[in-house]
Amino acid sequence: KQEVTQIPAALSVPEGENLVLNCSFTDSAIYNLQWFRQDPGKGLTSLLLIQSSQREQTSGRLNASLDKSSGRSTLYIAASQPGDSATYLCAVKPSGSARQLTFGSGTQLTVLP
Amino acid sequence: GAVVSQHPSRVICKSGTSVKIECRSLDFQATTMFWYRQFPKKSLMLMATSNEGSKATYEQGVEKDKFLINHASLTLSTLTVTSAHPEDSSFYICSARGGEVREAFFGQGTRLTVV
Repeated sequence: KQEVTQIPAALSVPEGENLVLNCSFTDSAIYNLQWFRQDPGKGLTSLLLIQSSQREQTSGRLNASLDKSSGRSTLYIAASQPGDSATYLCAVKPSGSARQLTFGSGTQLTVLP
Repeated sequence: GAVVSQHPSRVICKSGTSVKIECRSLDFQATTMFWYRQFPKKSLMLMATSNEGSKATYEQGVEKDKFLINHASLTLSTLTVTSAHPEDSSFYICSARGGEVREAFFGQGTRLTVV
């Protein structure tokens, strides 16, 4: 059974810092990995999606990497801003017929002004 | 990206009553919809997967008679929490995919509070 772990559970940084969020998964047979942002009491917004054949994806100040063989992904946020404060979730979609996402428990990020 | 709308965003109900949550795909036909439950500071737990026109597939431990899922059209799925109890209080989120929309898009979530 796939398990997804995110470390740290919470992170607080001053504005302007670069930071890295970590995600690890136990079963490397994945179809893709996705990073989401969730604001308090809100739904999920997809940030980046990395296919299993890719090693990284970039969008603006965000860069996500994937090392499938070691079961790890990182989300790098450059020049953090208070508006980046949210919970960041990673989720993996397995390869094969079962296509439901398995989510990590998230990293709650606070960027202090 | 595709838009998924969930309604209501918040609902408070009395213990013993039933509550219906709607999930709509606004600009695509959702052949598959997923319902998740999220506890505070916890991950999203998949409750069930529904395909349009057929019965939902429930995850282990989810009571299908308590959490009724209907996916009667390609743009609407509903989750009804029957005879709600305070322990059913949670954040419920739907997602949908279909056609050319290969990845699932998420609704805004519904905060259910049972008093």
